[in-house]
Amino acid sequence: QSVLTQPPSASGTPGQRATFSCSGSSSNIGNNYVYWYHQLPGTAPKLLIYRNYERPSGVPDRFSGSKSGTSASLAISGLRSDDEGDYYCATWDDSLRGVVFGGGTKLTVL
Amino acid sequence: EVHLVESGGGVVRPGGSLRLSCAASGFTFDDYGMSWVRQVPGKGLEWVSNIKWNGGSTHYADSVRGRFTISRDNAKNSLYLQMNSLRAEDSAFYYCARHDTSGCSDYWGQGTLVTVSS
Repeated sequence: QSVLTQPPSASGTPGQRATFSCSGSSSNIGNNYVYWYHQLPGTAPKLLIYRNYERPSGVPDRFSGSKSGTSASLAISGLRSDDEGDYYCATWDDSLRGVVFGGGTKLTVL
Repeated sequence: EVHLVESGGGVVRPGGSLRLSCAASGFTFDDYGMSWVRQVPGKGLEWVSNIKWNGGSTHYADSVRGRFTISRDNAKNSLYLQMNSLRAEDSAFYYCARHDTSGCSDYWGQGTLVTVSS
């Protein structure tokens, strides 16, 4: 059972917009920055969004992040087949004094 | 370019020990905190431990506290994870990762596989 809650799966067709939710509490998302990662099978996670909505260099502006209260969202516009994979949210938890992850959302591009 | 390379994984019997290493390059190692994150194949990510840039502060997940010890050698640009009293549930890929001031990681290594089995 993950501390952050993410839906297990999502799907979309090429060109569509996909959104991913991440729900937490006041001790984690509510008081800290949210990060989003993309992971393909057999590879390490790659940072997509840091500090709620910032994009690292090299990440296209099709990816956007937001946070409101104890929830956060990741949006992908103009879906592509290579966007498939697992998406994880993460943040620091003040009560647990550690990083907590969501269980991940598996994206399928139909 | 940031480069993190883990080593030291392998097969170990329950109750045994293993020491993971992570060689860092492409950035000023002692400017950053570092973390270990693990992942059972096919499952989600689990944060294991982190250490401040100077080694002065460490944190551990409840699942490993008292059994695992994180350390670093800034002169060697290296991060370590000493794992003792290993259990079957510790079997996973272990990733070395750099983290920023928020505690969350920005760059990750490719991982090393630890298998605890009799």
